[in-house]
Amino acid sequence: KQEVTQIPAALSVPEGENLVLNCSFTDSAIYNLQWFRQDPGKGLTSLLLIQSSQREQTSGRLNASLDKSSGRSTLYIAASQPGDSATYLCAVKMTNAGKSTFGDGTTLTVKP
Amino acid sequence: GAVVSQHPSRVICKSGTSVKIECRSLDFQATTMFWYRQFPKQSLMLMATSNEGSKATYEQGVEKDKFLINHASLTLSTLTVTSAHPEDSSFYICSAGGDRGDGYTFGSGTRLTVV
Repeated sequence: KQEVTQIPAALSVPEGENLVLNCSFTDSAIYNLQWFRQDPGKGLTSLLLIQSSQREQTSGRLNASLDKSSGRSTLYIAASQPGDSATYLCAVKMTNAGKSTFGDGTTLTVKP
Repeated sequence: GAVVSQHPSRVICKSGTSVKIECRSLDFQATTMFWYRQFPKQSLMLMATSNEGSKATYEQGVEKDKFLINHASLTLSTLTVTSAHPEDSSFYICSAGGDRGDGYTFGSGTRLTVV
């Protein structure tokens, strides 16, 4: 059974800092891994999707890496801003047609 | 890219009433729909999987008579929370996949509050 863990559960940083969020999974035979952002009381916003054959994806100030062999992914946020404050979730799929297994999320607070 | 429209985004209902949540695939045919829920300060957990034209498969611990899923067409799946109770208050989200071959797309979610 796939298990997804996110560390830390919460993170508070001053504005401008670069930071790394971690996601680990127990079964490395994943199909893809996806990072989401969830604002309080709101839905999911997809940030980055990494296929199993890829090692990283970049979008603006965000960079997600994937190391399947070690069962890890990181989300790097450069030059953090207060608007980045949200909960970040990672989710893995074992097959294209399968369900997503989510981590518990990391709640990020960026202080002005 | 593929778009899934989920409505309503937020709903408040009284205990004992039923609430219907809709997920529509706007530009593709969704042969499979996953329904997830998220309790406060917890992660999203799969509730059930539905395939168009067949009965949904529910995860262990999810009451199929309480959470009715209908996937009667390739562009629409609905989740009905029947006889809602305050403990059903949660965030519900769908994920649809089908004929496009580009994976699954999530709806925007529905926050249900039962008072």
